Parts: sequence; C-alpha cells; structure tokens
Amino acid sequence: EAAVTQSPRSKVAVTGGKVTLSCHQTNNHDYMYWYRQDTGHGLRLIHYSYVADSTEKGDIPDGYKASRPSQENFSLILELASLSQTAVYFCASSGDINTEVFFGKGTRLTVV
Amino acid sequence: QQKVQQSPESLTVSEGAMASLNCTFSDGTSDNFRWYRQHSGKGLEVLVSIFSDGEKEEGRFTAHLNRASLHVSLHIREPQPSDSAVYLCAMSMANNNNRIFFGDGTQLVVKP
Repeated sequence: EAAVTQSPRSKVAVTGGKVTLSCHQTNNHDYMYWYRQDTGHGLRLIHYSYVADSTEKGDIPDGYKASRPSQENFSLILELASLSQTAVYFCASSGDINTEVFFGKGTRLTVV
Repeated sequence: QQKVQQSPESLTVSEGAMASLNCTFSDGTSDNFRWYRQHSGKGLEVLVSIFSDGEKEEGRFTAHLNRASLHVSLHIREPQPSDSAVYLCAMSMANNNNRIFFGDGTQLVVKP
C-alpha cells in the first residue's frame, strides 16, 4: 500500500536551533512536497522536488531548506528555528498529474 | 500563481440536510481538482478527485467542476455529525511541476 511516513510526528525546538523533518515514501513517486499549515488555514507550499538531488522553492521558502538525496527521501531543514515557524508540517508525494497524491500524517513543530 | 478561494468560511447544517461548499480558482488551465477532509488535529483524507468538467460522485460526496466559470463545488448528501471537519479544495497543474494549491478551507459543523 502506498505510504508517506514523516518523522518525527511532533517536536519541540528552541529558538535558534536546527530542526530537520524527514519524509520517506514507498510509492515510487517522482514528486515530493513540503507544506506547512497554520491553525485555521490551508496548506502552503514550502519546497518541492520532482527528481532526486534537485529541489525547488515553493510559495514560502524563506527560513527553510530542503534536501532530496534519493527518490524516496525528502527532508525539510530549519537552520535557525524561529517562533513563527511553529506549525504543522505535511509531506506529500505524487506521480503524474492525474494520479493520487499521498500525504503523511503531519509533524507538529513547536518552537519555544 | 494559482489562487484558490473557498466559501463559505464556515457552514452549519442539520444532520441529513445537503451541505454545499464552493471553490473558485484563478487559472482555468488547472489539470485536476481534489476535495479533502481534515478532522481536527488529523491528516488529510481525499474525498473526490475530478479532472473533467461535469460531475463526479464518491459515495455521499459529489464534486461539480466548471472550468469556464472557474468553479468547483462539493455537495455532501445526508451529512452526519462525524462529517464535521474542515474541507479543503486543492488543484494542481501539470505545467507548473504538478504543484498543488490549496484554499483556506471551509469549517463544516453538522448538528444532530
């Protein structure tokens, strides 16, 4: 069964610290995405990738880096975490345009 | 950039009454459209995916797409209290690296 696994599922980080969120998919999908969701809002795209070893900026990339070392793995990196980055982060993968999109269960990040 | 607007922001219906949610978008060249449901504190559950103008039914959920009007809707037949959740409209574009754009959601409350 198709799956997207995020780790950790929740994390508390200190301001100024480094945070790495990991995403692993077993769907053989080319496209992977990182979104953030703030309370009461939809999902906003941070970074995405359509091939290994390459990443693209989404709509809100400032303060975030991404890494796609393999087709299966896609990481989101916060080099200097800030209070404003407290949110829920979702990873997703997809194949061709009309195939299904699979989302992970989300990572709740709290920066204190 | 694709803009996605959902209405209403919140909707309260009685159990068994039809619930109708709306989504307008700015670019008619979007390739596919999806409706997701998100229960409080949970992940995304895809309800309906629609690629062509017209209607697509999945159980109690029916999506209507009209590209000329830049409009896609979701109708929930015989809603139940367990359908109380945030409903997210999303669309993606093959000519934009399969990027997926989300609306901010409609909060649906179904009263017994």
